[in-house]
Amino acid sequence: QKEVEQDPGPLSVPEGAIVSLNCTYSNSAFQYFMWYRQYSRKGPELLMYTYSSGNKEDGRFTAQVDKSSKYISLFIRDSQPSDSATYLCAMYMNTGFQKLVFGTGTRLLVSP
Amino acid sequence: SAVISQKPSRDICQRGTSLTIQCQVDSQVTMMFWYRQQPGQSLTLIATANQGSEATYESGFVIDKFPISRPNLTFSTLTVSNMSPEDSSIYLCSVDSASRTGAKNIQYFGAGTRLSVL
Repeated sequence: QKEVEQDPGPLSVPEGAIVSLNCTYSNSAFQYFMWYRQYSRKGPELLMYTYSSGNKEDGRFTAQVDKSSKYISLFIRDSQPSDSATYLCAMYMNTGFQKLVFGTGTRLLVSP
Repeated sequence: SAVISQKPSRDICQRGTSLTIQCQVDSQVTMMFWYRQQPGQSLTLIATANQGSEATYESGFVIDKFPISRPNLTFSTLTVSNMSPEDSSIYLCSVDSASRTGAKNIQYFGAGTRLSVL
């Protein structure tokens, strides 16, 4: 079993839709969670960083963490064609360097 | 956040040759990381490079195959040695830095090097 599971997609939605991207993880020691966005032929770009369970909002993006279920989500409201990219979840255990563990990424396609 | 320049952006190489990838950061950072990203797979950490010490390699990666240099706090190189088609992948460097919100231990990535080995 992989430490972090993420549906590779592709997930296709029309412009304006609400998008839900999800990851599950197996190790309850993970405490810090991130979402990266990666456009084609570019490096991953940090979108959201969360620590505690609950929701964190930044513009059209909301990151949700449920540590009891070992489940994290990224919601995108009013999706735009420019949101078309691969979204990777990542997590690590505590501060001080700990290896980031990534999901495989979900490819999102937003059609005009 | 840090700005990372990585080169070459892509290359096509012959089997048995070596390629050195460069990573330049616009600020001094303690830790730099090298990852491999293969199609359909997670980013996989190859090694961690600290200035002034030997790189620390992850399981499955060895120094003879992926030698790393870290001569100062803004620069690192990764060499992919004696290449085979199985080494075709995207190689990414990242640095550990504070985010614009002050959160620590955030990793920022370069654009990557797309390597194809024939």
